[in-house]
Amino acid sequence: GAVVSQHPSWVICKSGTSVKIECRSLDFQATTMFWYRQFPKQSLMLMATSNEGSKATYEQGVEKDKFLINHASLTLSTLTVTSAHPEDSSFYICSAEVVAPGYGYTFGSGTRLTVV
Amino acid sequence: AQSVTQLGSHVSVSEGALVLLRCNYSSSVPPYLFWYVQYPNQGLQLLLKYTTGATLVKGINGFEAEFKKSETSFHLTKPSAHMSDAAEYFCAVSDGTSYDKVIFGPGTSLSVIP
Repeated sequence: GAVVSQHPSWVICKSGTSVKIECRSLDFQATTMFWYRQFPKQSLMLMATSNEGSKATYEQGVEKDKFLINHASLTLSTLTVTSAHPEDSSFYICSAEVVAPGYGYTFGSGTRLTVV
Repeated sequence: AQSVTQLGSHVSVSEGALVLLRCNYSSSVPPYLFWYVQYPNQGLQLLLKYTTGATLVKGINGFEAEFKKSETSFHLTKPSAHMSDAAEYFCAVSDGTSYDKVIFGPGTSLSVIP
């Protein structure tokens, strides 16, 4: 149980286009989801906290207009990278807290974005 | 503000040897502490976590960690390394508030030598 499904697992796009990444909680409701970015050989950096039905909270230095987050339902959060550039190439991971005994934060499998 | 440090960005052990991955944290409130493992191009898998109660926490795959408040540490150990343990390991902390963000350490890459 407590699975977060993240799609796509990898995507290649051209500079200037937009890419949408989806995270779905399959068997639980996720009021809050977290979006992380991970550069090669580095740790995860929190980009934003996504709250169902309200605006996301972005970390300092993260461009709100570039990384659009939508959390319209209790089981789906999306991250859209708008007008992507090569420097946006990275590994993006979503996470949700499972409020149940024995659980904690569960992570999606990640999305490898390459902008060419 | 909370933070996490992991001593050693890369650790190599022989198969069958003890695994010790170090983690120290700073937090102004009682922390929740986590260890995650990441295999190449994959998401993170929770190994174990400490919230409250017993300070020695046992996790999956034979790993365990001990919360030592006096040392602000949460080191990860495994008595006998297996080849399949080779991966990236992240220590993480949150302040225990529901839906609070989790802060990750820089990670330690574990190599297991046959």
